[in-house]
Amino acid sequence: DQQVKQNSPSLSVQEGRISILNCDYTNSMFDYFLWYKKYPAEGPTFLISISSIKDKNEDGRFTVFLNKSAKHLSLHIVPSQPGDSAVYFCAASVSGSEKLVFGKGTKLTVNP
Amino acid sequence: DAGVIQSPRHEVTEMGQEVTLRCKPISGHNSLFWYRQTMMRGLELLIYFNNNVPIDDSGMPEDRFSAKMPNASFSTLKIQPSEPRDSAVYFCASSSLTDTQYFGPGTRLTVL
Repeated sequence: DQQVKQNSPSLSVQEGRISILNCDYTNSMFDYFLWYKKYPAEGPTFLISISSIKDKNEDGRFTVFLNKSAKHLSLHIVPSQPGDSAVYFCAASVSGSEKLVFGKGTKLTVNP
Repeated sequence: DAGVIQSPRHEVTEMGQEVTLRCKPISGHNSLFWYRQTMMRGLELLIYFNNNVPIDDSGMPEDRFSAKMPNASFSTLKIQPSEPRDSAVYFCASSSLTDTQYFGPGTRLTVL
């Protein structure tokens, strides 16, 4: 039973365009959400997070949007760069717990 | 600063053999996590420790899996006996109370 779902296994975009990665969750107790990025042969690295008290968090080219009513979040990368090509994992947690629940990941390819 | 260190990076073994994966967390971090990544299930939490004490082992698949953290700078994940379905990439991550999780590079395990 996947509590965090990334329904697109892969996404391909052109350099300079926007990349939008989506994530859905089923557990209404989740109130903290994170995105991790993973390059081949490396561990995931933290990218950006958002608390449920917000609906948007921005960090440079990366913006995460949270729609609590739809139990949906998305990661926008603008403009996309070839170096952004990686697998992106969405993760969720409940306040007070260190436990993260991850989605299966979306492989992003940014073409030059 | 050294990140999370995992060894070995690759392990190939035969079914029935014992496998031990090792992890050294980031100095000063008091939480340690073991994850397994497979194509079918994505990135799933197996067990985590806080101040060397196991807090949640609900993700450990079966009794063949065990994990220990004898001190703040070392943890092991043991599989005995190993089976082909245990083939996966195993990640260790660590964090401090107010920080995100930092992942090691992973151990790719192949059980023949």
